[in-house]
Amino acid sequence: GEDVEQSLFLSVREGDSSVINCTYTDSSSTYLYWYKQEPGAGLQLLTYIFSNMDMKQDQRLTVLLNKKDKHLSLRIADTQTGDSAIYFCAERGNQGGKLIFGQGTELSVKP
Amino acid sequence: EPEVTQTPSHQVTQMGQEVILRCVPISNHLYFYWYRQILGQKVEFLVSFYNNEISEKSEIFDDQFSVERPDGSNFTLKIRSTKLEDSAMYFCASRSAGGAAFGQFFGPGTRLTVL
Repeated sequence: GEDVEQSLFLSVREGDSSVINCTYTDSSSTYLYWYKQEPGAGLQLLTYIFSNMDMKQDQRLTVLLNKKDKHLSLRIADTQTGDSAIYFCAERGNQGGKLIFGQGTELSVKP
Repeated sequence: EPEVTQTPSHQVTQMGQEVILRCVPISNHLYFYWYRQILGQKVEFLVSFYNNEISEKSEIFDDQFSVERPDGSNFTLKIRSTKLEDSAMYFCASRSAGGAAFGQFFGPGTRLTVL
């Protein structure tokens, strides 16, 4: 069945780059998303990538997609303490609009 | 900037009671969703709703659950007889017909505690 996996924790120093990784199983996924959840808040849509792309850049965010390996990553350049949050990878299947989420990666940014 | 809102932010109920969780999606959106997140677990899809009917539902969404769009702005999730295992954060989401990659916009969630 559909499944999305992420590592649970990542700790970086302020100013460094962060790379959050995700693997998924559904090869028919059309879009893949990154969401950010700050404490006590909902899920904020950060960025997305279409399955026929291999890279997308949006200011400090770079999304890389390796469709062959079903691997997605989110790189945050010049990570700031305000980037501390839980980051969720999600895939959208071809059928219907439901999102399948990973378990979230907690990013901790140390000054 | 338009956003999805949810009420209440926290609901405490006794096992066996009915609860209604409320959501106001973004006004020009046409597709509506409920997800839930049990503490320490993944965000799970419950149901999607379009054109006044359920378009897809998960195995979790059994006969105890129902959804409704009673007017042009609200979208509700009802749990008829709550169980302890229904304790979770419930998120409502909505999206427009096209939009940037069909991205879903989420509300802040309702934390449901069943005692």
